[in-house]
Amino acid sequence: DTAVSQTPKYLVTQMGNDKSIKCEQNLGHDTMYWYKQDSKKFLKIMFSYNNKELIINETVPNRFSPKSPDKAHLNLHINSLELGDSAVYFCASSQTAGRGAGNTIYFGEGSWLTVV
Amino acid sequence: DAKTTQPNSMESNEEEPVHLPCNHSTISGTDYIHWYRQLPSQGPEYVIHGLTSNVNNRMASLAIAEDRKSSTLILHRATLRDAAVYYCILRDSGNDMRFGAGTRLTVKP
Repeated sequence: DTAVSQTPKYLVTQMGNDKSIKCEQNLGHDTMYWYKQDSKKFLKIMFSYNNKELIINETVPNRFSPKSPDKAHLNLHINSLELGDSAVYFCASSQTAGRGAGNTIYFGEGSWLTVV
Repeated sequence: DAKTTQPNSMESNEEEPVHLPCNHSTISGTDYIHWYRQLPSQGPEYVIHGLTSNVNNRMASLAIAEDRKSSTLILHRATLRDAAVYYCILRDSGNDMRFGAGTRLTVKP
């Protein structure tokens, strides 16, 4: 079983559409993340949730809305897609409680979003 | 999180050791040093981490300077599969991990 799984892996859509990327982790972790990797290959954190509560919200347009129905899922919904949203989006998870900065983050394989 | 400095790229020959350096002169006492790598078209994967002492695992070794202002990731025998971008990251809380540009390692057969 894949520890952190995201769907879809590839997504091509038109400008102005609304799309969602789903993420699930089966590691029993209490913290989940969304990262964006743009064409220049920089990985930037977008959001972090701990026990379904938002704890990090970087400077991301409010067209991006994460939703965590439970600790094992963190979905990313994007409204009114723009060309600049084309990127690879990585979901990740970690066990934060009791381990702090020494804990490991596990990443999914990425969702390749292309906006045309 | 404190910043790290890594060379943009390095080359290695297959089956030879590789030493990937990382400078972190502004590291604080509570910062852990993490190394991740990203293989082509994949998500980042954990390699190793440490706080003060050198660390070994099945993938690599981490050598941490006594003053903790630098560290070196050591791949003992590079394989073609080790070609990736290697990220050195300082982490002082459990809530996020912020990546720099990393070092692109090329392994030549």
